[in-house]
Amino acid sequence: KNEVEQSPQNLTAQEGEFITINCSYSVGISALHWLQQHPGGGIVSLFMLSSGKKKHGRLIATINIQEKHSSLHITASHPRDSAVYICAVGTGNQFYFGTGTSLTVIP
Amino acid sequence: EAQVTQNPRYLITVTGKKLTVTCSQNMNHEYMSWYRQDPGLGLRQIYYSMNVEVTDKGDVPEGYKVSRKEKRNFPLILESPSPNQTSLYFCASSALTGYSPLHFGNGTRLTVT
Repeated sequence: KNEVEQSPQNLTAQEGEFITINCSYSVGISALHWLQQHPGGGIVSLFMLSSGKKKHGRLIATINIQEKHSSLHITASHPRDSAVYICAVGTGNQFYFGTGTSLTVIP
Repeated sequence: EAQVTQNPRYLITVTGKKLTVTCSQNMNHEYMSWYRQDPGLGLRQIYYSMNVEVTDKGDVPEGYKVSRKEKRNFPLILESPSPNQTSLYFCASSALTGYSPLHFGNGTRLTVT
């Protein structure tokens, strides 16, 4: 069973395009996390949210608790945004992860 | 600088030879955890710790041990590694489970032959 489902698995965009990555989950959560993993492997936390919407620069994350769904948006995408984006949910002490969305932004 | 430090970054070993991957954080975080990342499966939680001397199993604990004798350190022990434990491993910490961002180490790529 997959507690967290992400779509799409792979995404190629032209520089400047608006990008959306979706995440659906099936468990009760304390918070949802969006993570970024660059080639070379390091993982950084982009957002943690339990309701509403957060914005950081060109990145926006939203969550709908009733629908158990979150989206990550990237406005004016840039080649440096190329990475794997991972959705994770925290359920108290444990975390469950989506399999990631591999984004490539072409100049 | 606030960080989670994992060592080593790369490790090649043979079946059955005990090994330890170290993880240390300097942020005084209560919560620490270990994950493995495999293609097509994503990240999966191995073990976690809520505080010193408090550890519990995640989704895939078989073949692994952990200890939390000090708040800052959370080593991952493979008593008898097998080839199916070849993977990319990450340690992470956070201030308050589920309500704080996760801080990840740089990863350890383990190959068991």
